[in-house]
Amino acid sequence: AQSVTQPDIHITVSEGASLELRCNYSYGATPYLFWYVQSPGQGLQLLLKYFSGDTLVQGIKGFEAEFKRSQSSFNLRKPSVHWSDAAEYFCAVLRGGTYKYIFGTGTRLKVLA
Amino acid sequence: DTEVTQTPKHLVMGMTNKKSLKCEQHMGHRAMYWYKQKAKKPPELMFVYSYEKLSINESVPSRFSPECPNSSLLNLHLHALQPEDSALYLCASSQDTSGLTDTQYFGPGTRLTVL
Repeated sequence: AQSVTQPDIHITVSEGASLELRCNYSYGATPYLFWYVQSPGQGLQLLLKYFSGDTLVQGIKGFEAEFKRSQSSFNLRKPSVHWSDAAEYFCAVLRGGTYKYIFGTGTRLKVLA
Repeated sequence: DTEVTQTPKHLVMGMTNKKSLKCEQHMGHRAMYWYKQKAKKPPELMFVYSYEKLSINESVPSRFSPECPNSSLLNLHLHALQPEDSALYLCASSQDTSGLTDTQYFGPGTRLTVL
């Protein structure tokens, strides 16, 4: 079955610390992968995406993600977290040819001052 | 510019009211989407329009009626809603590659409360 798993429901980090949010997918074909961020009561903002090519993808706001086919993972990283990064983060895979995203359940990030 | 706008930002309606949500994009995208999002959950797809034609209806109750008057506009007409329909309604758009590599850009959402 096609699915996206975000194992961590909540993560708390201190401001300035590094961050890694995990995303594992189950998808038979070439995955098109996305990370979105959502602040409370707001829409989803695209952080980065992976379609092909270099497996280390740079995004906005200093985020990056690495696609590892052998581990079926697309983890999101940031070297130094800012208080404004506190939000909900969603990983998604596009079911090719369907317009449909399979979303993970999300990871809520809390940043301690 | 990757902006999708939605109006209104907040909407409170009774179960007998008729209201509409509006979504607009000027990115030249030809696919547009409506999602419903409950608290602490990922968005759930409701409808997809491709080139102004309804392409996908995820078995949404008929009290929700989408409309795509032109390539830039998407409406969601609401009638006889239930309190459980209270949610954040998100609009999104994408370039339309027949769903093969579409990257969706989301609006800020309309917070709907049904009394």
